[in-house]
Amino acid sequence: DAGVIQSPRHEVTEMGQEVTLRCKPISGHDYLFWYRQTMMRGLELLIYFNNNVPIDDSGMPEDRFSAKMPNASFSTLKIQPSEPRDSAVYFCASSFRGEQYFGPGTRLTVT
Amino acid sequence: GQQLNQSPQSMFIQEGEDVSMNCTSSSIFNTWLWYKQDPGEGPVLLIALYKAGELTSNGRLTAQFGITRKDSFLNISASIPSDVGIYFCAGRFHSGGSNYKLTFGKGTLLTVNP
Repeated sequence: DAGVIQSPRHEVTEMGQEVTLRCKPISGHDYLFWYRQTMMRGLELLIYFNNNVPIDDSGMPEDRFSAKMPNASFSTLKIQPSEPRDSAVYFCASSFRGEQYFGPGTRLTVT
Repeated sequence: GQQLNQSPQSMFIQEGEDVSMNCTSSSIFNTWLWYKQDPGEGPVLLIALYKAGELTSNGRLTAQFGITRKDSFLNISASIPSDVGIYFCAGRFHSGGSNYKLTFGKGTLLTVNP
């Protein structure tokens, strides 16, 4: 089992640029979660999907953030335009009936 | 909303010592999960608890689901250097629906001196 796969592992971009983070969940899992982790705020849930449908996006900070799940094996989190305060580690997690399994994360730095 | 208080925030111990950390909630949960995060990696699930009073072990790790459903603890026995990391508790409440959102504690940073 490959686990949850995220790409890229590191992303450095300039303020104003578009950033796209990618996630491949564990095969057979029907829930997918996007989290953001910072020292100040800890782990924050941004959005989650069930069977590719967004269920709760109340954690998405603002309209600059968007997420899609076009099929059961792929999801993206997009930030446009990016700002320095978006710098954080972004995690994708997938779940089947409760237990969430996390990917290795994408460390985003916006300069 | 639900809040989790995890303590202690950090611990510095000697190799071989036992460790205990806990989480308390302002409201009840149906599920408690404990994760460990190594530097530069994502959280890894250690133990899952589904029933009030449940006591579950995973090697040197033991976790319990409090009978009030508002707390949980994690014990690590005979600590070793590779136990270093951040430990997170997470709770979930669901009432028949399909709500799988987790509420996470702020984490306990564990340092083990060899």
